[in-house]
Amino acid sequence: AAGVIQSPRHLIKEKRETATLKCYPIPRHDTVYWYQQGPGQDPQFLISFYEKMQSDKGSIPDRFSAQQFSDYHSELNMSSLELGDSALYFCASSLPGFHYEQYFGPGTRLTVT
Amino acid sequence: DAKTTHPPSMDCAEGRAANLPCNHSTISGNEYVYWYRQIHSQGPQYIIHGLKNNETNEMASLIITEDRKSSTLILPHATLRDTAVYYCIVRADTGNQFYFGTGTSLTVIP
Repeated sequence: AAGVIQSPRHLIKEKRETATLKCYPIPRHDTVYWYQQGPGQDPQFLISFYEKMQSDKGSIPDRFSAQQFSDYHSELNMSSLELGDSALYFCASSLPGFHYEQYFGPGTRLTVT
Repeated sequence: DAKTTHPPSMDCAEGRAANLPCNHSTISGNEYVYWYRQIHSQGPQYIIHGLKNNETNEMASLIITEDRKSSTLILPHATLRDTAVYYCIVRADTGNQFYFGTGTSLTVIP
């Protein structure tokens, strides 16, 4: 079965640089979520989109922005990167509605040096 | 969202049932209980979810108490591949996000 695709899988950036992470949801899933998981921490919700509109916002820094496109893929844009942004970034997708489960991608490991 | 509490770690012998408890005493009537697991930095994997009734699928069973203040995830025949961090999540119907909290680290012992 098709799964959530994330690219790139690994990314190394320097401080103050920008990064763009991409997420391709499971076909027919129109809701996308982004999570950040720091070293030794639990996943933290960043932001979600439904039908190309932002639906929920969590602990996303102002330096980060995200959007969902007409084909439902989503991009997380991160600017002025800091060392503390080094983390695993997961994207998840689901059918619309709060009672549907979220399916997670394999994650993008971002390292900021 | 309702807060969940569960033991930080558990062990289970291979082939035996693994019973993972979760307390969610502040759960409200329209909140679902979800279980996910994460195997060493992989993406969290959906296991099962329920509202009031007990649920079973090919991976596990979810037993929810009648007052809905606690639940138990049951892996009927644990294997070494079930070693992971398990998260019990209560999800409100007013938001899309999951608050993972601190999971239970399950170690299946040969």
